[in-house]
Amino acid sequence: AQRVTQPEKLLSVFKGAPVELKCNYSYSGSPELFWYVQYSRQRLQLLLRHISRESIKGFTADLNKGETSFHLKKPFAQEEDSAMYYCALSPPGGFKTIFGAGTRLFVKA
Amino acid sequence: DTEVTQTPKHLVMGMTNKKSLKCEQHMGHRAMYWYKQKAKKPPELMFVYSYEKLSINESVPSRFSPECPNSSLLNLHLHALQPEDSALYLCASSPLGVSGANVLTFGAGSRLTVL
Repeated sequence: AQRVTQPEKLLSVFKGAPVELKCNYSYSGSPELFWYVQYSRQRLQLLLRHISRESIKGFTADLNKGETSFHLKKPFAQEEDSAMYYCALSPPGGFKTIFGAGTRLFVKA
Repeated sequence: DTEVTQTPKHLVMGMTNKKSLKCEQHMGHRAMYWYKQKAKKPPELMFVYSYEKLSINESVPSRFSPECPNSSLLNLHLHALQPEDSALYLCASSPLGVSGANVLTFGAGSRLTVL
């Protein structure tokens, strides 16, 4: 079965501290993986996807096929990073994007 | 234009009413989606249209009726809803046949309350 698991509902860190939001997935094959973010009072938007292998707003995410993980990392958290983060999976060429339950990140001053 | 626009932002309706949610995009995306999002939950896929044809219906009750009049518009017709249908309804779109075909661009949502 296709599934995305985000084990932490809430993650609270201090400004300047490293942050890692965990994501594990279950899929038989090679899915496309994404992180979407929703800032307060803003719409859900793409943060990054594994194919691009890029860094957005200082965030990176590495796909580990052996551990079926796609954790999101940032070395120095900023207050403006506070938001809800969703890990998502999509079959290649398919339409069914499946979202994890989400992790709310709170960065304290 | 790089946005997905949804109207209305808020809708309150009784269980016997008929109403519609509208979604519009002018990015040339040929896949459009309806998602339902309950409070503190992730979005759940309801319907997918590709090239104006219904591709996926995730076993949604018939009181929700989608329509895709053209490549830029997506409607969701609502009739005889139940209070448990109260939620944020998100429209999204994505390109087809190109890199990034699965990247979703979301609208701000229509918050529906069924009394």
